[in-house]
Amino acid sequence: DTEVTQTPKHLVMGMTNKKSLKCEQHMGHRAMYWYKQKAKKPPELMFVYSYEKLSINESVPSRFSPECPNSSLLNLHLHALQPEDSALYLCASSQVPGDSNQPQHFGDGTRLSIL
Amino acid sequence: RKEVEQDPGPFNVPEGATVAFNCTYSNSASQSFFWYRQDCRKEPKLLMSVYSSGNEDGRFTAQLNRASQYISLLIRDSKLSDSATYLCVVNKGKLIFGQGTTLQVKP
Repeated sequence: DTEVTQTPKHLVMGMTNKKSLKCEQHMGHRAMYWYKQKAKKPPELMFVYSYEKLSINESVPSRFSPECPNSSLLNLHLHALQPEDSALYLCASSQVPGDSNQPQHFGDGTRLSIL
Repeated sequence: RKEVEQDPGPFNVPEGATVAFNCTYSNSASQSFFWYRQDCRKEPKLLMSVYSSGNEDGRFTAQLNRASQYISLLIRDSKLSDSATYLCVVNKGKLIFGQGTTLQVKP
């Protein structure tokens, strides 16, 4: 069982809908991440939060809006998505921001389909 | 040229075989290295970190050669449950993933 939990597991939404993906970890990790993964491709980094502050935005379109309400929670708000945004969205966390020796631990993802 | 390169495979091997995966990276400033395993439609899971001195975890051995910018993973006595995609990952402040190498272990 993963120690990073993501909800929902599956999400189908229309291009005009607004929805949110949620991620939670209780390992005391202070770095949290959002990745996007298309089929047969590796994960691509979207956002990094360090100590609840956004530290990296990999030029992600504004229709994706991250939020970190506290050290255990990470949200990804979705609005006006496109069909090409259909993918597996993975949340990850690691212990200490900036410590590259710390591995990241992934949640089991939200499989998103845009109609 | 990709920052992290892996042979995508697939590698099809019989149970009990020994199989090795290689990975090269282009950025000499890369700081740490990992192998992750990803099953179909599942999340990546950390298999092992890779240290310069080489490290072993049961049937799995990882090696790092910083001079050649080369990482390897050796799996001995392959099991059916080892079938998965193995991702070579380099951390240079953020994770850079290779494309993954697919392993199929056959009975």
